[in-house]
Formats: sequence, structure tokens, C-alpha cells
Amino acid sequence: EAGVAQSPRYKIIEKRQSVAFWCNPISGHATLYWYQQILGQGPKLLIQFQNNGVVDDSQLPKDRFSAERLKGVDSTLKIQPAKLEDSAVYLCASSAGTGVAGGNKDTQYFGPGTRLTVL
Amino acid sequence: DQQVKQNSPSLSVQEGRISILNCDYTNSMFDYFLWYKKYPAEGPTFLISISSIKDKNEDGRFTVFLNKSAKHLSLHIVPSQPGDSAVYFCAAFTSGTYKYIFGTGTRLKVLA
Repeated sequence: EAGVAQSPRYKIIEKRQSVAFWCNPISGHATLYWYQQILGQGPKLLIQFQNNGVVDDSQLPKDRFSAERLKGVDSTLKIQPAKLEDSAVYLCASSAGTGVAGGNKDTQYFGPGTRLTVL
Repeated sequence: DQQVKQNSPSLSVQEGRISILNCDYTNSMFDYFLWYKKYPAEGPTFLISISSIKDKNEDGRFTVFLNKSAKHLSLHIVPSQPGDSAVYFCAAFTSGTYKYIFGTGTRLKVLA
């Protein structure tokens, strides 16, 4: 079974520039997540999709961040314009997402992440 | 408000000994807990999980213990191996939300 794919793996931009990240989840996984992981911290959820609908985007800075999941499969996360504090690893994860605790379907599987450096 | 806490940022253990990683939570609505392991330049990988209806789950060298009254869980690795050196995150989940809350991680170093 192929894992979660992300690209690019690394990106360096200057502040005020734009950047986009791409994620391809595990085939058949209904739920897709974007996390931001700042050095020394745990992953923080930015946005969560169930199929192509947004379930939770309460921690997404909507003035500069946007995300979409077309056709309920691939997803892109965009930052425009970037700030220095956006430097982080951006992780994409997917799960089968039954919402029922205790089942393997709730496990999130992560991609390798995109390391963003904003200069 | 940090709902899931890992108070030890780092831990060093001799090869062959037991590693114990701890995690505390504040939200009593959490009903499913997981541990993830993360190597540098890779995404977190799922290690082991436990439902709130259990107090122990074992998978090979890895055992997770849950104490609901104390809102505490721990991961035991026995025996520890150098390849276990990584950052370990605990995560908590509430049924129906699909939303995980992660701790800040503990860096484990297993010394040969």
C-alpha cells in the first residue's frame, strides 16, 4: 500500500512570497489533515477535510493560508504572503476516518512533510 | 491550553534497558490514545494505540498503559534498542471528531 505523498520536500522562500504544498493521501482515505510543526513542538492541526468538505479549520490563519481538496482526493495548502514565523514542517496525514475510537481506521498516516524556510 | 503534555523533552537510556515515556492529558472526553515515532526528516509513524476501555495494550517490545483516573498514559519499550532513538509523540482523540491533539514530544536516545 502506497503511503501519503507530499511535495516538495523542502522549500526556501523570502517573506511576502507565496508557496504551495501538495498532498496525495492513501487511496480510499476519506479524511485528510494538514499540520504545522514548528521546531520543538508537536504537530498542530491547521485544517481537516472529510472527503472534499472542511470539518475543522479553526486554527488556520485564513488571512494568509488557504487549502482545498478537489474531488476528495489530493489537497493543496497555500500560504500567501509568507511570514518569518511560518517557517516549519508542514505535514499531511490521512485516515479512513470512521470517527469510532478503537479501530485501526482511526489511525492517521503521515507523509514525510515539507520543510519550509522563510527568510 | 495544552491538552496533551509530555513533560520530559528528552530521555537517555542504555541499550537493553527499559524506556518509559510519559504523557498527561486534561480532557476527559478523549477516548483513544496513540503513540507516534518520528525520525529526522520523516513524518511521524504510528507505533501503538489504546482505547479508553482498556488499561494496557502490548505489541512486541512496546506496551502502552493508560490510567484514566490520573489522566496519564505511558509507553514502555523493553528492551530498548539504538534504532528506537527518535522523537516520540503521544496523541489523543475523541470519537466523532476525527481530531487528534498531539503532545510536544520526547526525544529518546538509546545508548549502545
